[in-house]
Amino acid sequence: AQSVTQPDIHITVSEGASLELRCNYSYGATPYLFWYVQSPGQGLQLLLKYFSGDTLVQGIKGFEAEFKRSQSSFNLRKPSVHWSDAAEYFCAVGLYGGATNKLIFGTGTLLAVQP
Amino acid sequence: DTGVSQDPRHKITKRGQNVTFRCDPISEHNRLYWYRQTLGQGPEFLTYFQNEAQLEKSRLLSDRFSAERPKGSFSTLEIQRTEQGDSAMYLCASGVRDRAREQYFGPGTRLTVT
Repeated sequence: AQSVTQPDIHITVSEGASLELRCNYSYGATPYLFWYVQSPGQGLQLLLKYFSGDTLVQGIKGFEAEFKRSQSSFNLRKPSVHWSDAAEYFCAVGLYGGATNKLIFGTGTLLAVQP
Repeated sequence: DTGVSQDPRHKITKRGQNVTFRCDPISEHNRLYWYRQTLGQGPEFLTYFQNEAQLEKSRLLSDRFSAERPKGSFSTLEIQRTEQGDSAMYLCASGVRDRAREQYFGPGTRLTVT
């Protein structure tokens, strides 16, 4: 069955340090992959997406992600974290076909940023 | 582009009561989705509309849940005879039929069943 795994439940980084959030997926075909960010009590904001082409994708707020088919991974990175990046981050895979059209989300990674 | 809006933002109800939530998608979006998010979890798919047609329903959507999108614009999600296990954030998203297949989420409705 299709699934998304985010191995890190909680990560703490210092402001200005680099960040990498891990995401592994299980899907038979070429996946549509997404990263969303959620601030407390808010909905989800799309950071970036991959569905074809260049495996390194750029998103908003200085984030990027790399699709690695051999590792079934789509890790999110940022070279220098800002305090405002503290939030919960969700990786998702899109399932499409026939009447199916939905996102399968991982359980999320909560990012804390130390001053 | 005013984004996806949801109403109410918060709802507290007693067990056994019925509740109804509304979602207004981005105006040109013909696809609308409902998800449920419980504490410490990622959103889980509930149902999907293309225009006014409800094309897919999750097994999570029990008989007590019903969703409509009567004119292909706004949508409502009703929960009958609420249970404490229904307490969650209910998220609505909308999108268009294009290659990117992005979904844009609203702020959610937080339901608390006491």
